[in-house]
Amino acid sequence: GENVEQHPSTLSVQEGDSAVIKCTYSDSASNYFPWYKQELGKGPQLIIDIRSNVGEKKDQRIAVTLNKTAKHFSLHITETQPEDSAVYFCAASSGSNDYKLSFGAGTTVTVRA
Amino acid sequence: NAGVTQTPKFRILKIGQSMTLQCAQDMNHNYMYWYRQDPGMGLKLIYYSVGAGITDKGEVPNGYNVSRSTTEDFPLRLELAAPSQTSVYFCASSYYEQGTEAFFGQGTRLTVV
Repeated sequence: GENVEQHPSTLSVQEGDSAVIKCTYSDSASNYFPWYKQELGKGPQLIIDIRSNVGEKKDQRIAVTLNKTAKHFSLHITETQPEDSAVYFCAASSGSNDYKLSFGAGTTVTVRA
Repeated sequence: NAGVTQTPKFRILKIGQSMTLQCAQDMNHNYMYWYRQDPGMGLKLIYYSVGAGITDKGEVPNGYNVSRSTTEDFPLRLELAAPSQTSVYFCASSYYEQGTEAFFGQGTRLTVV
């Protein structure tokens, strides 16, 4: 099955700086890569996703890049704000089945004021 | 619009007891999922369903059972609870089309003692 590794496990940044989280996956057939944000006591919520036919996608302060050859994808958060503090999970589809996701272990992001 | 509703939010079980975690969604989603979240381990797929009457195993199905008699409800049954089932359980749903997101419930924190 798909194996997703996520780094770092914790990340502390100064407000206004950028944060980068990296993930690698094992199944070359995977074609869907979402990122979820989980705030304390809540369920994960989708913040951005990318498909294998696209190399980069942006949505305001967040962006995701995908390198299919190297089988890795990254989340970039610019101009970080205190409300960006949360746990972030990357995920990859199980082969071509978009609905079956394998998740990374998560990154706890803390934005220092 | 309530989204995905999970009950209960917290539960303590004794070893060997059984219980059912309830999940209901009001978005007419055809796909539903159960995940467990352990510290530092991300989310692991337990069972999923692609429609009423259809269920299938995920990555970690042992010790659990599910049923899907209606589009709205997807209960997860724990038989003979064990300490290894101490975890936070999340139910999610999605409407299967390319690139759709999964909506998560608030989670059920289960402790088996």
